Amino acid sequence: NAGVIQTPRHKVTGKGQEATLWCEPISGHSAVFWYRQTIVQGLEFLTYFRNQAPIDDSGMPKERFSAQMPNQSHSTLKIQSTQPQDSAVYLCASSRQGTGQLYFGEGSKLTVL
Amino acid sequence: AQSVTQPDARVTVSEGASLQLRCKYSYSGTPYLFWYVQYQRQGLQLLLKYYSGDPVVQGVNGFEAEFSKSDSSFHLRKASVHWSDSAVYFCAASRQGGSAKLIFGEGTKLTVSS
Repeated sequence: NAGVIQTPRHKVTGKGQEATLWCEPISGHSAVFWYRQTIVQGLEFLTYFRNQAPIDDSGMPKERFSAQMPNQSHSTLKIQSTQPQDSAVYLCASSRQGTGQLYFGEGSKLTVL
Repeated sequence: AQSVTQPDARVTVSEGASLQLRCKYSYSGTPYLFWYVQYQRQGLQLLLKYYSGDPVVQGVNGFEAEFSKSDSSFHLRKASVHWSDSAVYFCAASRQGGSAKLIFGEGTKLTVSS
């Protein structure tokens, strides 16, 4: 099993540009989660999908952030008009239904200049 | 509000010494509880989990944790640490029967000195 795959591992954007981060969950896992990790805020929950449907997006900033899961093999997190405060490591995780155990990817480090 | 607290931001222990990392949770009911470890520049890896039953759960690499309902705690322990245990440790919880999202503590950075 390849584990959760996140691309790109590193992305540098200029202020105001768009950034799209990709996540491929473990095959057979029904839930996909997105987290943001910073030194100051720690690990923040953003959103999650179950069977491709959005279930809980309570952590998503209401403006500029959006997430989709168009099929069971990948999810995207899009940040429009990026700002320096969006700089963080964005972690994707997947889990099997009902286990509560998350398997994390290695993260995508976003730097906004 | 649901929360997980790790009161110790940094812990330093000598190689071979015992270890306890503290975790307190605030949830209505009994949550699922987890400890994850993050080595430098890597993602999070599961050390152990508690769902129900025996309050002491065993994990990988000699780690164990003890659930206490009366104290709302889930402390992580290891009898003898190795230099390779140096990492950041996160305690996390999710609500049983509710949203599957994990709420994480602030993390504890463990340094094992030789």
